Amino acid sequence: DAKTTQPNSMESNEEEPVHLPCNHSTISGTDYIHWYRQLPSQGPEYVIHGLTSNVNNRMASLAIAEDRKSSTLILHRATLRDAAVYYCILRDVQSNTGKLIFGQGTTLQVKP
Amino acid sequence: EPEVTQTPSHQVTQMGQEVILRCVPISNHLYFYWYRQILGQKVEFLVSFYNNEISEKSEIFDDQFSVERPDGSNFTLKIRSTKLEDSAMYFCASSSGEYTDTQYFGPGTRLTVL
Repeated sequence: DAKTTQPNSMESNEEEPVHLPCNHSTISGTDYIHWYRQLPSQGPEYVIHGLTSNVNNRMASLAIAEDRKSSTLILHRATLRDAAVYYCILRDVQSNTGKLIFGQGTTLQVKP
Repeated sequence: EPEVTQTPSHQVTQMGQEVILRCVPISNHLYFYWYRQILGQKVEFLVSFYNNEISEKSEIFDDQFSVERPDGSNFTLKIRSTKLEDSAMYFCASSSGEYTDTQYFGPGTRLTVL
């Protein structure tokens, strides 16, 4: 899987939007962009994924750059419960392996 | 909503002892995984399992580790002779379809080796 780069940490205020960036300049045409998060003392949790178009679900939105070399996870109104480590992971749809390769991720702090 | 469960939540063992960590994946899932996370470090892939056999394993998954799906519901990770460095959170995950499908993780088992 291609490498991703994320800031180590970010801060947000409660009820404000949060934009979590991810760079993946070596992304291939068959790589999907996946986001997982890990709440304190819990297992990782799927958030969202996309290929080329922007995606929305009940948890978040994913904005993908036109050249696909970067993406941004958007939490529209951060809550205290959104404080977690957020991982941006590339997964090749043609891969014969299911393993997720986690980096250090971005630790999001949400202030009341 | 279906979820992956793991038991025990915390296991304390003496170095050299065998431990078995148990997982119940989501019932219609076909792909199963174990990951571990040493305190303060990244989540690391250990092994993937499909169709009753290992499909991939990492360098961490040496001869001391084994996995089994003994019945239609459980998925276990066995460590034959634990070492101090095996102390970590162990997460089980499962997915329904192809390898790139969403993985659903359990809450983890904290293994402490004394």
